[in-house]
Amino acid sequence: DIQMTQSPSSLSASVGDRVTITCQASQDISNHLNWYQLRPGKAPKLLIYDASKKETGVPSRFSGSGSGTDFTFTIRSLQPEDIATYYCQQYDNIPLYTFGQGTKLEIK
Amino acid sequence: EVQLVESGGGLVQPGGSLRLSCAASGFTVSSNYMNWVRQAPGKGLEWVSVIYSGGSTYYADSVKGRFTISRDNSKNTLYVQMNSLRAEDTAVYFCARGGGDGFKFDCWGQGTLVTVSS
Repeated sequence: DIQMTQSPSSLSASVGDRVTITCQASQDISNHLNWYQLRPGKAPKLLIYDASKKETGVPSRFSGSGSGTDFTFTIRSLQPEDIATYYCQQYDNIPLYTFGQGTKLEIK
Repeated sequence: EVQLVESGGGLVQPGGSLRLSCAASGFTVSSNYMNWVRQAPGKGLEWVSVIYSGGSTYYADSVKGRFTISRDNSKNTLYVQMNSLRAEDTAVYFCARGGGDGFKFDCWGQGTLVTVSS
């Protein structure tokens, strides 16, 4: 099975800060990686697919990059509504999708 | 508007059964890959099961042999029948559509809580 190691597990930042989350796959997964946002009481939301493509309607401050085993998710200028937990997900080993452990983002 | 609404969660004793439903609107369930994903209290997301548009089904090892995913095309609804429930099955259960080629979960419900406890 493919393991996804996400870091950090939690992060505190100020409004306007640049925030970066990393995700490392246990083997080469090409660009087969998605990023999701989970806010309490809300439906999870797809932000980035195929490692770097933005889902329709996602603000431009969100971006993703990487391929192979190392991936990065960035929020260019943190906004209060970005408080959430973020997850990476690999889909290289379909149908055994695997998520990272999550990164809980808080406002400082 | 594309929407998914889960129902059927609740409190069940260990060894018991429960069936969750996921009603879809704005798209056709049978034309898409449909998934169940869960989040245990204080834990991360775990993929549980998928049903492909062609009807093939797959399960995580943790639920294989105990959970059955299905759909009712006439009701445009996805289901998961959960048997032999264990305490570790306690979680919020989400249904999610596999958009595009099925590889990105582009529409999710808000989830339904299943608690397995005596």
